[in-house]
Amino acid sequence: ETGVTQTPRHLVMGMTNKKSLKCEQHLGHNAMYWYKQSAKKPLELMFVYSLEERVENNSVPSRFSPECPNSSHLFLHLHTLQPEDSALYLCASSQDRYGFTGELFFGEGSRLTVL
Amino acid sequence: TQLLEQSPQFLSIQEGENLTVYCNSSSVFSSLQWYRQEPGEGPVLLVTVVTGGEVKKLKRLTFQFGDARKDSSLHITAAQPGDTGLYLCAGFRGGGADGLTFGKGTHLIIQP
Repeated sequence: ETGVTQTPRHLVMGMTNKKSLKCEQHLGHNAMYWYKQSAKKPLELMFVYSLEERVENNSVPSRFSPECPNSSHLFLHLHTLQPEDSALYLCASSQDRYGFTGELFFGEGSRLTVL
Repeated sequence: TQLLEQSPQFLSIQEGENLTVYCNSSSVFSSLQWYRQEPGEGPVLLVTVVTGGEVKKLKRLTFQFGDARKDSSLHITAAQPGDTGLYLCAGFRGGGADGLTFGKGTHLIIQP
């Protein structure tokens, strides 16, 4: 069983759809993250949760709505997305918020295509 | 916002050759990580370096943290097709919104 699991792995949606990405970590970590990975850009931090409390929100548009019901699960709810939102969305976890050295454990990613 | 510059952006070499990729910044980091990401997968942590001048080895991979903790290099000896992937470096300055900064990565292809 992998440490951080993301579903679905691939998602195609229209601009008016509502969908959700799910992340589950089996590492007993206290912090979880959403990152966006686009071609030719560094990973962009979207949200950070520590002990189920949102601690960072990096100016992400409101069409992305995170939810962290417990320390093992993280969701990203998607609504009225734009084609430029097409990207690989990565979930990550760490023992504590960034831990001592900033090491992150990533899931496999959810490839999102917005038509 | 500090930047991490990775070079080269793309590298394609033959199996058995040696290579070095670089990660440079004008900022000082308390630690730096290297990740490898294969197509369709998430990044996997390879190593963390925390001390200026530190050298760590992982089989055929040698990682070095610069003395001033502003830069790092990854050297691969006798590259194998299994080394193919996107190599990302990430610099850590501590907690906060900009605590962890990623470079754009080096796309490495090892041809059989």
